[in-house]
Amino acid sequence: AQTVTQSQPEMSVQEAETVTLSCTYDTSESDYYLFWYKQPPSRQMILVIRQEAYKQQNATENRFSVNFQKAAKSFSLKISDSQLGDAAMYFCAYRGIQGAQKLVFGQGTRLTINP
Amino acid sequence: NAGVTQTPKFRILKIGQSMTLQCTQDMNHNYMYWYRQDPGMGLKLIYYSVGAGITDKGEVPNGYNVSRSTTEDFPLRLELAAPSQTSVYFCAGAGGPVYEQYFGPGTRLTVT
Repeated sequence: AQTVTQSQPEMSVQEAETVTLSCTYDTSESDYYLFWYKQPPSRQMILVIRQEAYKQQNATENRFSVNFQKAAKSFSLKISDSQLGDAAMYFCAYRGIQGAQKLVFGQGTRLTINP
Repeated sequence: NAGVTQTPKFRILKIGQSMTLQCTQDMNHNYMYWYRQDPGMGLKLIYYSVGAGITDKGEVPNGYNVSRSTTEDFPLRLELAAPSQTSVYFCAGAGGPVYEQYFGPGTRLTVT
C-alpha cells in the first residue's frame, strides 16, 4: 500500500519570505500523481499544485512550485513571497493512475505566516 | 454550477443514534468518495464509488454504509454512532481527463 509522510507538523515563515514544506512517499508504481492541497480555517480543501510522475519538469503555479525527486520519492512544496493568506494546513497526497483514483494523504503541515 | 455540496454543515449526535450525511455533485462525475479527517490529521478514505450502483470500501469503512443510486448523490449512513466517529467528513467527486478531485465543504460531526 502507498504511504505519504510529512515530517514537519508545523512551520512558520516571515511574510514575503520563502518556505519549503517536505513530503516523502512510498510506492511500487512507476506512474502516479502527486498533489499539494491547502486547507485554510474554513476547512475547504483547495488544490494548490499537481505533478505527474512521468514528467521530469517540476510543476509551478504562480508563487508555488515543487521539487519532485522521483528516485528519492520526495515531493516538496516551495512557497515564494509568502502572504498572510497562505496560512493554512498543507497536505501532500498521492494518487495512482489505475483503478478508482483514490487519494492517500499525509498528516499535514500547519503553516504560520508572521507579519 | 455548485460543484459538490454537503449537508448538514454541523451535527451533534448522541451515542447510538443514526444519521445520513448527504452529498450531491452537479459535475456529472462518475467517481465519488467519502473521507474523514480527525483532529490534526490527514484525510482517510471511508468508501468510494466509480459509478451508479457500484461502491467499495476504503481504508476505514467500519461503522458506515453508502449507496449510489444516481450519478449525482452519494449519501453516507452512520448506524449506532460512537464517539470514535467524531470527525469532519468530506465528500469529493472526480472526473475529467486527470480525475481531479473536487471536495465539498465538509460536515463536522460530534458524537457525545
